[in-house]
Amino acid sequence: QQQVKQSPQSLIVQKGGIPIINCAYENTAFDYFPWYQQFPGKGPALLIAIRPDVSEKKEGRFTISFNKSAKQFSLHIMDSQPGDSATYFCAAKAGFKTIFGAGTRLFVKA
Amino acid sequence: GAGVSQSPRYKVTKRGQDVALRCDPISGHVSLYWYRQALGQGPEFLTYFNYEAQQDKSGLPNDRFSAERPEGSISTLTIQRTEQRDSAMYRCASSPSQGYEQFFGPGTRLTVL
Repeated sequence: QQQVKQSPQSLIVQKGGIPIINCAYENTAFDYFPWYQQFPGKGPALLIAIRPDVSEKKEGRFTISFNKSAKQFSLHIMDSQPGDSATYFCAAKAGFKTIFGAGTRLFVKA
Repeated sequence: GAGVSQSPRYKVTKRGQDVALRCDPISGHVSLYWYRQALGQGPEFLTYFNYEAQQDKSGLPNDRFSAERPEGSISTLTIQRTEQRDSAMYRCASSPSQGYEQFFGPGTRLTVL
């Protein structure tokens, strides 16, 4: 019930493409769903987050889509750039505890 | 401003030795978290402090692991009698309070030989 399943493990897109990363959860107690971006040698940094009462949230080129009934959420990166190449983690939070997905390594070709 | 800092950044130790990993959170941050991150995996929750109180330690793998934050600021994660399976990246994160964004430190890469 605590697990957050993330796919794909890795993703390669051309510059300008729209990579999509998917996550699914089981625990309905989760009430906050952040996405983190991690560059090599650095710690994860919050990218965008959504609460379950909203179906979509956009910040710049990043969009979260949230399907509460299916217990699924996804990250879309519009007009992807080589600088977006990083590992992306979805996560789900209940109280103070955050459960992370296994991560998706994204590579955007120039 | 200064972010979360951790020391040492790298630690190589022999099996059976004790290690202490330090986390210096962002000034004024009430909440402090410890995570372990295996290669190719997401951070795994270990323990959580609210000020100096350790409110959850359910993620600590066994009783060789302990953590403290005696004055509600700097925290130390201690691993006694290290084993090879303890090798991982140990990350600390802090936040202004429980409901806010967590800011992660650069981590300590622990290698147990």
